[in-house]
Amino acid sequence: DAGVIQSPRHEVTEMGQEVTLRCKPISGHDYLFWYRQTMMRGLELLIYFNNNVPIDDSGMPEDRFSAKMPNASFSTLKIQPSEPRDSAVYFCASSPAYRVMNTEAFFGQGTRLTVV
Amino acid sequence: DAKTTQPPSMDCAEGRAANLPCNHSTISGNEYVYWYRQIHSQGPQYIIHGLKNNETNEMASLIITEDRKSSTLILPHATLRDTAVYYCIVETSYDKVIFGPGTSLSVIP
Repeated sequence: DAGVIQSPRHEVTEMGQEVTLRCKPISGHDYLFWYRQTMMRGLELLIYFNNNVPIDDSGMPEDRFSAKMPNASFSTLKIQPSEPRDSAVYFCASSPAYRVMNTEAFFGQGTRLTVV
Repeated sequence: DAKTTQPPSMDCAEGRAANLPCNHSTISGNEYVYWYRQIHSQGPQYIIHGLKNNETNEMASLIITEDRKSSTLILPHATLRDTAVYYCIVETSYDKVIFGPGTSLSVIP
């Protein structure tokens, strides 16, 4: 397996534009996580899914952020409208089995988002 | 929810053992201790995890105290490529992995 695949790797957009980040988890993994990383706040969990269903979105900062998982092999994180303070590295991760405990999470390489 | 505390930074000489401590005094009986690391600009990478017994794999060893209130990650022979931020995590709920600030390890030639 190629691991967790994120696209694009880098995104530069203007303030007010819509941004869509994409993630393909490892096949067979039931859990998918979206994280955001900044120098100030470190790694923050935004939302996670179990079997394509959002379980906890309490980390999503504002209504401008939304995430979907239409099927087991694809998820999107959308920001509309984007703002400069959304500039960060966004990571997607997936985990196997029906629980994370006693299993590990596999991370993608991240999408570096810059909003100007 | 259990929380962890780690020193913000550490240095280690190349070829020596790196011992990274972590305190998790409020850990529950069924919560695991996980270690991840993040090399600059890359996604976090799983290292090792344990419940109460010491664990070892090809990357590292994990020593958990008998009362489970603290643990130590040991990199037996640190190399320059081990320079990274190391995260000690205790599962705070059934499902999700929450990261703290971690320890920035610098391996010095």
